[in-house]
Amino acid sequence: NAGVTQTPKFQVLKTGQSMTLQCAQDMNHEYMSWYRQDPGMGLRLIHYSVGAGITDQGEVPNGYNVSRSTTEDFPLRLLSAAPSQTSVYFCASSRGRNSGNTIYFGEGSWLTVV
Amino acid sequence: AQSVSQHNHHVILSEAASLELGCNYSYGGTVNLFWYVQYPGQHLQLLLKYFSGDPLVKGIKGFEAEFIKSKFSFNLRKPSVQWSDTAEYFCAVKSTDSWGKLQFGAGTQVVVTP
Repeated sequence: NAGVTQTPKFQVLKTGQSMTLQCAQDMNHEYMSWYRQDPGMGLRLIHYSVGAGITDQGEVPNGYNVSRSTTEDFPLRLLSAAPSQTSVYFCASSRGRNSGNTIYFGEGSWLTVV
Repeated sequence: AQSVSQHNHHVILSEAASLELGCNYSYGGTVNLFWYVQYPGQHLQLLLKYFSGDPLVKGIKGFEAEFIKSKFSFNLRKPSVQWSDTAEYFCAVKSTDSWGKLQFGAGTQVVVTP
C-alpha cells in the first residue's frame, strides 16, 4: 500500500514552461486536493476534488489547472510557470465526507521556477 | 470563512524545556482540529487530532493538545522537548461538512538546542 505518491520530487522550470505534478493514491479515496506551502503562510489549498469528474477551486487556484479522470489520479498542471509558483506542493487524499476520516499527505514536490 | 492563527512564528528552547504552541481558529460551526509536524526536508506528519469527546487529546511522540471550545483554541503541549523535536508545527482546522479541506495556520518553527 503506497498511500499518496507524488512525482517528481524536485523540478526546476524556466518561466513560461509548462509541467504537470502527478499525484496518485491507491486507497480508493474520493477526496483529493493540492496545497502549496510557502514560508510564513502555512499550506494553502489550490484545487480539490470530491470524486472522479468533479473538481473545484481552493484558496489560490490562479495559474493551476486540475482534472480528475480517475479516482486514483489528480494531476496538477502549470500551463505557464511563473517565479511566484516556486513552492513546495503537497497532494492529500481522504475517504469520503465523514469528518472522522484521516487525511493523508504525499511527500511533497519541490518546484523552482527561474 | 475559516481562519487559523498560530501565535508564534519561531520558538527556540533548550532540551527538557516545556513547549506550548498556541492555535486559535475562527469558525462558527463544528470543526475538526489537527496538529501536523514537518521535520526538515520531510513531508507533513499528523501529530494528533480532535474530532469529538475528551477535549484533551494525546498524540505521538509525547505531544498532547487541549481543545477549549469557548476560546476557539487548540494549543499543543509537550512537557519535555528533545533535540529531535526541532521542526515546523502546523495547526489545521476542517469544518465537519467540508470533506478534506483543511485550513492551515502559518506554522511555528521550533528549534530545540542541546
